[in-house]
Amino acid sequence: GAGVSQSPSNKVTEKGKDVELRCDPISGHTALYWYRQRLGQGLEFLIYFQGNSAPDKSGLPSDRFSAERTGESVSTLTIQRTQQEDSAVYLCASSPRGQLASTDTQYFGPGTRLTVL
Amino acid sequence: DAKTTQPNSMESNEEEPVHLPCNHSTISGTDYIHWYRQLPSQGPEYVIHGLTSNVNNRMASLAIAEDRKSSTLILHRATLRDAAVYYCILRYAGNMLTFGGGTRLMVKP
Repeated sequence: GAGVSQSPSNKVTEKGKDVELRCDPISGHTALYWYRQRLGQGLEFLIYFQGNSAPDKSGLPSDRFSAERTGESVSTLTIQRTQQEDSAVYLCASSPRGQLASTDTQYFGPGTRLTVL
Repeated sequence: DAKTTQPNSMESNEEEPVHLPCNHSTISGTDYIHWYRQLPSQGPEYVIHGLTSNVNNRMASLAIAEDRKSSTLILHRATLRDAAVYYCILRYAGNMLTFGGGTRLMVKP
């Protein structure tokens, strides 16, 4: 079956512009996560959606970052007024049961490489 | 949160076994040990997880010490495709996956 997909695969933008990144999770997965990975570094958690519950936004680095998810489907991560330090790969993951299950497995998309000039 | 410690990098020869260690001396009784790996230019992928007993799947084996303060991911025959960063992560119900630095595995032909 289809895995997690993300679009675009690459995005180059100018400083100050807004960008939208899209994630299509695996069908039926209740949980969806966004992470950021700067060059040569580990993954930073950004935001987590679990079903219809309020999202966990504790990882968002500033109020320029926001994300939405409609039900248990597509999610978009929006970065307003992009800065050069926002340049990174943005990874989306989905999982069947979410954070409350210790054995839950996350399935990652290929990521969107964002470059802010 | 309980923390894991892994070597920054390891080298292996192709077709030889690889043992990737992970220390987690502050692990609690409900923490599961998860391993993920990240191939170059890809998102991480799940490898294996366990609680107390050793585990085997088609990708790898996980050996967990009796006191659970350390574990070892075993790749039985390394291939060039196994070159990746391997992450050892502790999970309990309610916490997030926290990816540390991981171990960069290099496989030589």
